[in-house]
Amino acid sequence: RKEVEQDPGPFNVPEGATVAFNCTYSNSASQSFFWYRQDCRKEPKLLMSVYSSGNEDGRFTAQLNRASQYISLLIRDSKLSDSATYLCVVTGGATNKLIFGTGTLLAVQP
Amino acid sequence: GAGVSQSPSNKVTEKGKDVELRCDPISGHTALYWYRQRLGQGLEFLIYFQGNSAPDKSGLPSDRFSAERTGESVSTLTIQRTQQEDSAVYLCASSLVTRGGGELFFGEGSRLTVL
Repeated sequence: RKEVEQDPGPFNVPEGATVAFNCTYSNSASQSFFWYRQDCRKEPKLLMSVYSSGNEDGRFTAQLNRASQYISLLIRDSKLSDSATYLCVVTGGATNKLIFGTGTLLAVQP
Repeated sequence: GAGVSQSPSNKVTEKGKDVELRCDPISGHTALYWYRQRLGQGLEFLIYFQGNSAPDKSGLPSDRFSAERTGESVSTLTIQRTQQEDSAVYLCASSLVTRGGGELFFGEGSRLTVL
C-alpha cells in the first residue's frame, strides 16, 4: 500500500462548482498534514496546512480525520485559476520526512 | 534572490555519463529535501538533510545516486552512469523547520534528459 494515496482524476467541473478531494495515508503516527498546489510544469507551492480541528482559508476548507486516516480539501465557487494538480502531503518515517501523494488533477471549465 | 535556486535548469546527457545537480536553499533553512518527478507522475522522495547530515536517504533509488550538503547551505545531487530511466525533473526544497513541520519552498527544478 502506498504511504499517501489520492484519486488522480481528472476532475472536470464548471466554474462556480464545489469540488472535494480526499487523500488517505497509511502511517497512523503521521503528525503533520498539508495540501500543496502544482501548476503545469511548475514547482509545488503550499496551499494550506491541515489541522485536527479543520481549517478554512477563503474558498478552501481542509479537514483531517485521524481515526480513518484521511484528509480532505473542499473548494467552493471554483474559478478557472483553480485548475491545477492538488498534492496531499503527510509526514512519515523516523525523521518525519514529507511524503507527497501523486496528486489530483482539477480542470475548471468556463 | 530570496528563493531556492537550482542549476542547471536543463541538462541533456548521454547514457553512462555522470551528472551533478546543485541546490542553493533559502538562507537559514536547516531542512533540505530532494525529490524526483517523472513526467506525469507525483513527487518521489529521494533524500532529506537536517543541517549537513542526511538522517533519511531511504529514497535514493540505487548506489548510482548520492548527495551531500556543505556549510548547512548548498547541496549537490550526483547521478553516476546515468540511465534513461533517470530522466525526470529533480526538485530541491528547503524549510526553516525540521522534522516536516513547516512549509517547503521549492526551486524550479533541474530537468534531466538522458539520451
